[in-house]
Amino acid sequence: EVQLVESGGGLVQPGGSLRLSCAASGFTFSSYDMHWVRQPTGKGLEWVSGVGTAGDTYYQVSVKGRFTISRENAKHSLYLQMNSLRAGDTAVYYCARFSDDSFDIWGQGTMVTVSS
Amino acid sequence: SYELTQPPSVSVSPGQTASITCSGDKLGNKYACWYQQKPGQSPVLVIYQDNKRPSGIPERFSGSNSGNTATLTISGTQAMDEADYYCQAWDSSALYVFGTGTKVTVL
Repeated sequence: EVQLVESGGGLVQPGGSLRLSCAASGFTFSSYDMHWVRQPTGKGLEWVSGVGTAGDTYYQVSVKGRFTISRENAKHSLYLQMNSLRAGDTAVYYCARFSDDSFDIWGQGTMVTVSS
Repeated sequence: SYELTQPPSVSVSPGQTASITCSGDKLGNKYACWYQQKPGQSPVLVIYQDNKRPSGIPERFSGSNSGNTATLTISGTQAMDEADYYCQAWDSSALYVFGTGTKVTVL
């Protein structure tokens, strides 16, 4: 079964750091671009960051310089290192696989809350 | 930056057709896709590359994309189709862009 499982969310103070992980199974992880998408409670979807099969990385303007995406193909894992967190980063963070110009597989999400 | 605009809500009677629009500059020149999200669940891809259905998605879901508007059509709408729907496209300036979202209510 194709599956993505996120972990690492939690409560963090403004200015703090958090590292999200996404464990992939059921497909050849190294062959796909992978992304992070977030959704504040009660609001819409927002693309955050992506990493290509060659390790090329892409970021939304509001997180560039604060977030770092990476992948470890040998461990079938995707990561998002989040530094200098702000209240506006509070959201459910989803890991998603990219294929045929769309996000075809999504994880269950992990909640990140930035609050003092 | 690039924006995709959707109506906040659409209401439809069971068995009727629901149409959800997604508007963006020259959207017809890009691939559009659509996601369904039910309360408390992760998004599910229902249409990709304008009009293709992933395996397991019912035939009542269809898509089109031309000019500045992409449209998701649900024919013979069922109660289980009640959900939020988001369009999405790729743009060279904003990269991966999601629409504002549409809540579909089956009355």
